[in-house]
Amino acid sequence: DGGITQSPKYLFRKEGQNVTLSCEQNLNHDAMYWYRQDPGQGLRLIYYSQIVNDFQKGDIAEGYSVSREKKESFPLTVTSAQKNPTAFYLCASSTDLGQPQHFGDGTRLSIL
Amino acid sequence: GQQLNQSPQSMFIQEGEDVSMNCTSSSIFNTWLWYKQDPGEGPVLLIALYKAGELTSNGRLTAQFGITRKDSFLNISASIPSDVGIYFCAGRVIKAAGNKLTFGGGTRVLVKP
Repeated sequence: DGGITQSPKYLFRKEGQNVTLSCEQNLNHDAMYWYRQDPGQGLRLIYYSQIVNDFQKGDIAEGYSVSREKKESFPLTVTSAQKNPTAFYLCASSTDLGQPQHFGDGTRLSIL
Repeated sequence: GQQLNQSPQSMFIQEGEDVSMNCTSSSIFNTWLWYKQDPGEGPVLLIALYKAGELTSNGRLTAQFGITRKDSFLNISASIPSDVGIYFCAGRVIKAAGNKLTFGGGTRVLVKP
């Protein structure tokens, strides 16, 4: 089945540590996105990529980094510069920017 | 960025009730989408709307693209316990920078105790 796979489901980070969240899609979508969701809140856009080897900052990019070396993959690194990283992270993809996005099942990141 | 105001922020449903929620913006949208998110999972697309005045159903769900193109509503008829979750609207503004979707803050649907 085609879809978006995020891993791991749960992740723990120590203070001062960088961690990388994986997002893979086999939908042949050009655009991919990362969102952050805090408890009881909506979705906030961290980074997005319209095409391979290109990505743009979203509304809350500080403390995060991404790469888009392959069409299928859009990993997100939460750096030590992100002072409040505990949240639910959602990856999404779409055929093109502005088209309906399909979401993965998320990664919940917590601080030890 | 663009603002989408979604209301109510939360609501309680009783089995069998019809419920309604809406999304408004100060900007003109050319696409409206409605998603549902179950706890611990990603949002799932319910309905997509592309034309002003468009009314689309998906089972017990009905959504409409407002005539002014600045609003949309979602109705759930004869609600059942599995309707519990968070419903998000999302829209695309005409000529938006980067052509991205903007998401509302969500309506949390809960079951009446």
